[in-house]
Amino acid sequence: DQQVKQNSPSLRVQEGRISILNCDYTNSMFDYFLWYKKYPAEGPTFLISISSIKDKNEDGRFTVFLNKSAKHLSLHIVPSQPGDSAVYFCAASSNNNDMRFGAGTRLTVKP
Amino acid sequence: DAGVIQSPRHEVTEMGQEVTLRCKPISGHNSLFWYRQTMMRGLELLIYFNNNVPIDDSGMPEDRFSAKMPNASFSTLKIQPSEPRDSAVYFCASSLGREDIQYFGAGTRLSVL
Repeated sequence: DQQVKQNSPSLRVQEGRISILNCDYTNSMFDYFLWYKKYPAEGPTFLISISSIKDKNEDGRFTVFLNKSAKHLSLHIVPSQPGDSAVYFCAASSNNNDMRFGAGTRLTVKP
Repeated sequence: DAGVIQSPRHEVTEMGQEVTLRCKPISGHNSLFWYRQTMMRGLELLIYFNNNVPIDDSGMPEDRFSAKMPNASFSTLKIQPSEPRDSAVYFCASSLGREDIQYFGAGTRLSVL
């Protein structure tokens, strides 16, 4: 079953604008959420995470927002750069659950 | 540390052949994961080891798939016999613990003709 869902397979954004990638989850036991970034021919690499005790975590141009009541999180990239073009995976885990990944969203940032 | 090392990077084989994918996790990591990436399903967890012991293999698609971790520095994923629908990119990842950040290898792209 798809416990973590990324409903947008792709997103195109102009350079300098904000990119917003969305993720929904169904398992209310998840308490730790992560975003991974994947370039072609490489493995996914960790980007940013958030614990369920927070609703926002920021790291430079990247901010993750968590809405526990809606079981929704989002990744904001601002300003977007062409080098941000990649596939972004949302992941969620808890003490009693293996980490589950979404299907990914392909972000393209146009110069 | 060189990170998670997977071999081979590419594998092309014929239907019915045995395929063995290899993984060397990061030294000191206690958890190892095998994933399969497809266009339709994204990253699927196949099996997870903790301290070399398989903990959850519910993601393994069928009996043709098997995985072993004979020691803390090596794991294999075997497909016997392989089928065209097994064609995908297979990733290995390791982490300090099950819920910790996972570090991925570069993947093995498998093509079964």
